[in-house]
Amino acid sequence: KAGVTQTPRYLIKTRGQQVTLSCSPISGHRSVSWYQQTPGQGLQFLFEYFSETQRNKGNFPGRFSGRQFSNSRSEMNVSTLELGDSALYLCASVAGGLAFFGQGTRLTVV
Amino acid sequence: ELKVEQNPLFLSMQEGKNYTIYCNYSTTSDRLYWYRQDPGKSLESLFVLLSNGAVKQEGRLMASLDTKARLSTLHITAAVHDLSATYFCAEPSTLIQGAQKLVFGQGTRLTINP
Repeated sequence: KAGVTQTPRYLIKTRGQQVTLSCSPISGHRSVSWYQQTPGQGLQFLFEYFSETQRNKGNFPGRFSGRQFSNSRSEMNVSTLELGDSALYLCASVAGGLAFFGQGTRLTVV
Repeated sequence: ELKVEQNPLFLSMQEGKNYTIYCNYSTTSDRLYWYRQDPGKSLESLFVLLSNGAVKQEGRLMASLDTKARLSTLHITAAVHDLSATYFCAEPSTLIQGAQKLVFGQGTRLTINP
């Protein structure tokens, strides 16, 4: 059974640009959560999607958005990038209360 | 707001020694998760503790949960270098519409020296 796949693995962007990250959950899982990991703030919840609907969002500005497609794949978008957005972005495929994490996307904003 | 606190945050120990990482959480949640993270890598699920008194063991790692004390422990027995990593505990928080998010502790960076 394939795990959670995140693409790309690494990304370098310039301040002010926007970026889109992708996450394919484990087959059959309908819930996808996103987390941001930084040295200063640790692991923080971004948002959660289920059946193409965003059910919950963490305490992040509106520049952070996402969506989920009918095949449960999810994307998150960050617009007008700031240096502080540099982080490891982790996607979790959730079922039965268990979260399985992808390899993450390392975003560097310069 | 849920809060999960781990201690110690940094732990350097010698191979062969035993040690315990503590995780205090803020609600009466009946489950607790432990993850391992290697540098630059993702989170690997170690244990899911589902009820008060739960104890799980895998190799040299053993985790336990005391929901009354709101405390979970991760005990390392006879440490080996391969266990060097950052360990996170996480508490699930039930959100609206039945969704859950994980609230993570700060992580314990464990370094095991030969």
